[in-house]
Amino acid sequence: GDSVTQMEGPVTLSEEAFLTINCTYTATGYPSLFWYVQYPGEGLQLLLKATKADDKGSNKGFEATYRKETTSFHLEKGSVQVSDSAVYFCALRGYGGSQGNLIFGKGTKLSVKP
Amino acid sequence: NAGVTQTPKFQVLKTGQSMTLQCAQDMNHEYMSWYRQDPGMGLRLIHYSVGAGITDQGEVPNGYNVSRSTTEDFPLRLLSAAPSQTSVYFCASRQTGAFGETQYFGPGTRLLVL
Repeated sequence: GDSVTQMEGPVTLSEEAFLTINCTYTATGYPSLFWYVQYPGEGLQLLLKATKADDKGSNKGFEATYRKETTSFHLEKGSVQVSDSAVYFCALRGYGGSQGNLIFGKGTKLSVKP
Repeated sequence: NAGVTQTPKFQVLKTGQSMTLQCAQDMNHEYMSWYRQDPGMGLRLIHYSVGAGITDQGEVPNGYNVSRSTTEDFPLRLLSAAPSQTSVYFCASRQTGAFGETQYFGPGTRLLVL
């Protein structure tokens, strides 16, 4: 069935460091891919998305490229800030056994130190 | 727009008690769903609905009931609470149709079952 695997955390970085959070997926066909962010004590909110191969999603300095050949959707940011401290979830919506429901990775907690 | 709202924010139950977690959305979304979030497990789908009168099971439906009498509301019922149901519960909604549609989440309900 459809699944998402993302790097385990926690990840601790200093302010202005480069961030990469790896995400790979297994799915039938061409799923849509998403990154959601959860700030402390809040619900999830969409960070960015990509709906077809080679699309790049971007928002708030974060980027991720839909790589069909490597089944990946890695999240990157060139210079993180303390305010980026949160839990990041990679997710997909596909045509397989998930019946179009969002399938999430386990989340990666990011802490950014001043 | 209030978006997706959930009540209560916090609840403590004793084993065997029943309760209903409320969820409402004002975006006229056909699709609504319930997830639970547990440490190290990411978000797991409990139940979902693609429209009024239509519900289906997700990955972890046991111990939970749902109904969808209106487009706006999608309550989650625990008939006999168990400590294993201690979790944070999130309701979400989106438009049906294209797989790139953004899913919107409520702020969550923290449930402790003693």
